[in-house]
Amino acid sequence: EIVLTQSPGTLSLSPGERATLSCRASQSVSSSYLAWYQQKPGQAPRLLIYGASSRATGIPDRFSGSGSGTDFTLTISRLEPEDFAVYYCQQYGSSSWTFGQGTKVEIK
Amino acid sequence: EVQLVESGGGLVQPGRSLRLSCAASGFTFDDYAMHWVRQAPGKGLEWVSGISWNSGSIGYADSVKGRFTISRDNAKNSLYLQMNSLRAEDMALYYCAKGQMDYGDYAFDYWGQGTLVTVSS
Repeated sequence: EIVLTQSPGTLSLSPGERATLSCRASQSVSSSYLAWYQQKPGQAPRLLIYGASSRATGIPDRFSGSGSGTDFTLTISRLEPEDFAVYYCQQYGSSSWTFGQGTKVEIK
Repeated sequence: EVQLVESGGGLVQPGRSLRLSCAASGFTFDDYAMHWVRQAPGKGLEWVSGISWNSGSIGYADSVKGRFTISRDNAKNSLYLQMNSLRAEDMALYYCAKGQMDYGDYAFDYWGQGTLVTVSS
């Protein structure tokens, strides 16, 4: 099973700042089958990025994903008030699905 | 508009059973794989089980293998999770999630609001 480790655990930033979230896999993620989700309190997760770098439908272009192999990054170019939430990475290769433990982006 | 509505959660004693349902609408249900993902209170997301469009491919997390059974009824646009021998560690909010494809490797593009399973004596 591929284990995903996200860092940092918490990111304290101000609106307008750039957020950089990391997701590291215990082994190579095949074909960049890596997704990112956003979850706000009391809400279901929302798909942001799939295939490591493709934005899901309706996702603003301030969200971008990059990386391959074992190292992946989610970047939020300029934080909006609605972006403060918990973010999870997920790998989905070989018909198995695992999530990272999450990174909380909080208002500084 | 895609909608996924879970039901069937509740309070159950350890060792007992519960059956969750997910009613889907707004898309062609039998064109897509479906999954269950859970989230324990205050914790992260854990994939539980998934099923391909025609039930030909099914998978389970090791933590539930042998105790949980996923199924679907394409005629009723519904997904199910039969949970037997429930344990305290199964207590969580259970989400129904739609796959981006019918089978294979894909992310989950729509999620329901979840149904809460509480395991306690």
